[in-house]
Amino acid sequence: KAGVTQTPRYLIKTRGQQVTLSCSPISGHRSVSWYQQTPGQGLQFLFEYFSETQRNKGNFPGRFSGRQFSNSRSEMNVSTLELGDSALYLCASSLGPSGYTFGSGTRLTVV
Amino acid sequence: SQQGEEDPQALSIQEGENATMNCSYKTSINNLQWYRQNSGRGLVHLILIRSNEREKHSGRLRVTLDTSKKSSSLLITASRAADTASYFCATDANQAGTALIFGKGTTLSVSS
Repeated sequence: KAGVTQTPRYLIKTRGQQVTLSCSPISGHRSVSWYQQTPGQGLQFLFEYFSETQRNKGNFPGRFSGRQFSNSRSEMNVSTLELGDSALYLCASSLGPSGYTFGSGTRLTVV
Repeated sequence: SQQGEEDPQALSIQEGENATMNCSYKTSINNLQWYRQNSGRGLVHLILIRSNEREKHSGRLRVTLDTSKKSSSLLITASRAADTASYFCATDANQAGTALIFGKGTTLSVSS
């Protein structure tokens, strides 16, 4: 079966711009989570969606937002980009809390 | 904030040797999971151990959990060059288990 698909794989943006990342979960998975990975802070939880509702949110500023569509695909948006937002953004889908399947990530570089 | 802390941060071994990585965490958990990441790519789920389990095996992987010490270990036996990767432990952040808190990871290098 197809895995978790994240697009785009790489992205370069300028400070102040906004960006939208996309995640298509495994078919049948209704839970989608987003994580940010940086060398300094490691892997940090951003938010989790289930059946189009945000169920859990990490400790990130309001510039980070997300949504989930009826087909379980999810998007996350970062507005007013800062240099510190440069990171690998990972999406994961699951049927439940017993193991997550991660996508290959989107590498965002803010210049 | 990080829940888990892996030890060591980096480990270099020869093919055929065993690799042991440790993870400590701070709060009570429902389960603990181990993931592998190759060179900045996505994470691959390796194994999950529930809080009422003490040991679990999967192929060349052996995971132990000591909830009294809030620690876990991952043992990879007969390491191969293909095991070269970063390994992370992750615990569920709340009772619903809908968010994972990761440690900083152990970088394993296996040379042939």
